[in-house]
Amino acid sequence: NAGVTQTPKFQVLKTGQSMTLQCAQDMNHEYMSWYRQDPGMGLRLIHYSVGAGITDQGEVPNGYNVSRSTTEDFPLRLLSAAPSQTSVYFCASRTSGRTGELFFGEGSRLTVL
Amino acid sequence: GEDVEQSLFLSVREGDSSVINCTYTDSSSTYLYWYKQEPGAGLQLLTYIFSNMDMKQDQRLTVLLNKKDKHLSLRIADTQTGDSAIYFCAEKANSSASKIIFGSGTRLSIRP
Repeated sequence: NAGVTQTPKFQVLKTGQSMTLQCAQDMNHEYMSWYRQDPGMGLRLIHYSVGAGITDQGEVPNGYNVSRSTTEDFPLRLLSAAPSQTSVYFCASRTSGRTGELFFGEGSRLTVL
Repeated sequence: GEDVEQSLFLSVREGDSSVINCTYTDSSSTYLYWYKQEPGAGLQLLTYIFSNMDMKQDQRLTVLLNKKDKHLSLRIADTQTGDSAIYFCAEKANSSASKIIFGSGTRLSIRP
C-alpha cells in the first residue's frame, strides 16, 4: 500500500517557467489537498478537492491551478513560477469520515530562481 | 475566520515532560489534531480530540482542551530523543467542514 505519492521530490525552476507537481493516492480517498510549508508559517492550504470533478480554493491559491479528473490523482500546476513560490509542497488525502485524519506525501521541494 | 497559533520553539531536557501549546479562533471546531513531522518527512497524525472532550490520554501523550479559552495542549511524558520533531496543531472547523487548518508548528528539541 503506497499511500500518497508525490513527484518530483526536488525541482529547480527559473522564474516564468511552468511545471506540474503530481500527487496520487491509492486509498480511495475522496478528499485531497495541497499545502505549502514555509519556515515560521507552518502549512498553508493552497487548493483542495472533495471528489472527482470538484475543487476549491484554500488560503493561498494565487499562482496555482488544480484539477481532479480521477479519484486517485490531484496535480498542482504552476503556470508561471515566481521566487515567492519557493517552498516545500505537501499533498494530503483523507476519507470523508468524521475524524478527518490526513495522510501526507513525503513532500516536493521546489526552488524558483 | 479560522486561525491556529503556536510558539515556534521548545527545548526540554531528556526525561522531562514537554508541553506544547496551541490556540485557535474558530469556536465551531469539531476536531482538533496534533501532527508530528520528522526531518525530511511528511506529517503524521499523533492524536486528535473531539470538541466535546476535555482530555485524552494515549500512552505518553496527554491532550488537554479548554474550549472556553480555545486552548489546546499536548503533553509528552518522559521526553526522548526520538521525540525531536516539529509538532503541528490543526483544527477541522465546523464552519468549513472540508478544510483542516494548521498552525505554524513547534520545533521540539531535546537536551541531554
